[in-house]
Amino acid sequence: DVKVTQSSRYLVKRTGEKVFLECVQDMDHENMFWYRQDPGLGLRLIYFSYDVKMKEKGDIPEGYSVSREKKERFSLILESASTNQTSMYLCASSRGPNSPLHFGNGTRLTVT
Amino acid sequence: DQQVKQNSPSLSVQEGRISILNCDYTNSMFDYFLWYKKYPAEGPTFLISISSIKDKNEDGRFTVFLNKSAKHLSLHIVPSQPGDSAVYFCAAPTTDSWGKLQFGAGTQVVVTP
Repeated sequence: DVKVTQSSRYLVKRTGEKVFLECVQDMDHENMFWYRQDPGLGLRLIYFSYDVKMKEKGDIPEGYSVSREKKERFSLILESASTNQTSMYLCASSRGPNSPLHFGNGTRLTVT
Repeated sequence: DQQVKQNSPSLSVQEGRISILNCDYTNSMFDYFLWYKKYPAEGPTFLISISSIKDKNEDGRFTVFLNKSAKHLSLHIVPSQPGDSAVYFCAAPTTDSWGKLQFGAGTQVVVTP
């Protein structure tokens, strides 16, 4: 079974802090994704990566960056956290287009 | 601009009855659709999918229907069980080479005993 592990379930950070969210998958998947989930808005794509060191912007990349130095690991970085980045962050991986995404359990980030 | 829409934020259904969840899309180029189920404090899990060459796909208690002319799909759960209480997301891959999933806003299903 595919396992996608997010390093933290809950995080509380202060405005202006730099925040790192880590994600690791164990199925050698090419594609990895970061989504955020907000009530009434569903899941919105922040960034995705289709290969090591490759990244593409999703629908809402502003205020975020990503890093993929190894195939199994995809990190989301909030350069200077703001209160409107309080959300549930979900990492996912997949084999390729039209393959189901496998999600981690999410990180609930609160920025105060 | 949201291309996948779920206009019912919530649905309450009695155990044993049918749950019908609706999803509309605006991009006629979409050719594959997926449903995900999400419990609180867990990530979404893949439930069922349908290709545009079909109008129906069934997996146990779950059936997805696709009406391409209406750009509409629905998920039927029969019979509904308390464990089906969750948020259900409809999704479609974008038509570019990446196939990124676009999700609807979700429908919260509550199955009452």
